[in-house]
Amino acid sequence: GAGVSQSPSNKVTEKGKDVELRCDPISGHTALYWYRQSLGQGLEFLIYFQGNSAPDKSGLPSDRFSAERTGGSVSTLTIQRTQQEDSAVYLCASSLVGPYEQYFGPGTRLTVT
Amino acid sequence: KNEVEQSPQNLTAQEGEFITINCSYSVGISALHWLQQHPGGGIVSLFMLSSGKKKHGRLIATINIQEKHSSLHITASHPRDSAVYICAVRSNTDKLIFGTGTRLQVFP
Repeated sequence: GAGVSQSPSNKVTEKGKDVELRCDPISGHTALYWYRQSLGQGLEFLIYFQGNSAPDKSGLPSDRFSAERTGGSVSTLTIQRTQQEDSAVYLCASSLVGPYEQYFGPGTRLTVT
Repeated sequence: KNEVEQSPQNLTAQEGEFITINCSYSVGISALHWLQQHPGGGIVSLFMLSSGKKKHGRLIATINIQEKHSSLHITASHPRDSAVYICAVRSNTDKLIFGTGTRLQVFP
């Protein structure tokens, strides 16, 4: 079946603009994760949606970052008033709830100029 | 100190060599993942394990829960194995905590 998809694949934006990144998880996966990989850096956790529970937002770096998951499926990560340090690849992953393998999307490469 | 440490950071090998990448962690975990990231960025999950050993083709992953250590082995390495290998532990709150990765280059 279809894997995790993300859109756009690349996004270039001017500093100060808002951006929305989209993730379509694998059908039936009730856990959804957002991660960020800055240039030359490792992966860092941003936010985790688990079914109908309140999301774990502990990895969001500032209040400019927010995410929502509508209908338990598609998720949108929003970055307001983008800064150059927000430039990174934003990765989404989904899984069944619990200690199951996570399946990663191809990522969105965000460049803030 | 990082909660997940990988070694080595960089590794070069000749085709056919046996390769070992190590991962140590300092937090309580429910599982440990080995991920592969190719140039171009796509990430693939290789293994998820919580005890013992798993094998898939030329790849073997082991974990020692008492010692908080895991190893990823590649037998008969091939240039197509060149990638970044990332160890990630699943914390008791289900978040993944990532190591910084090991960049492997296998030369023909």
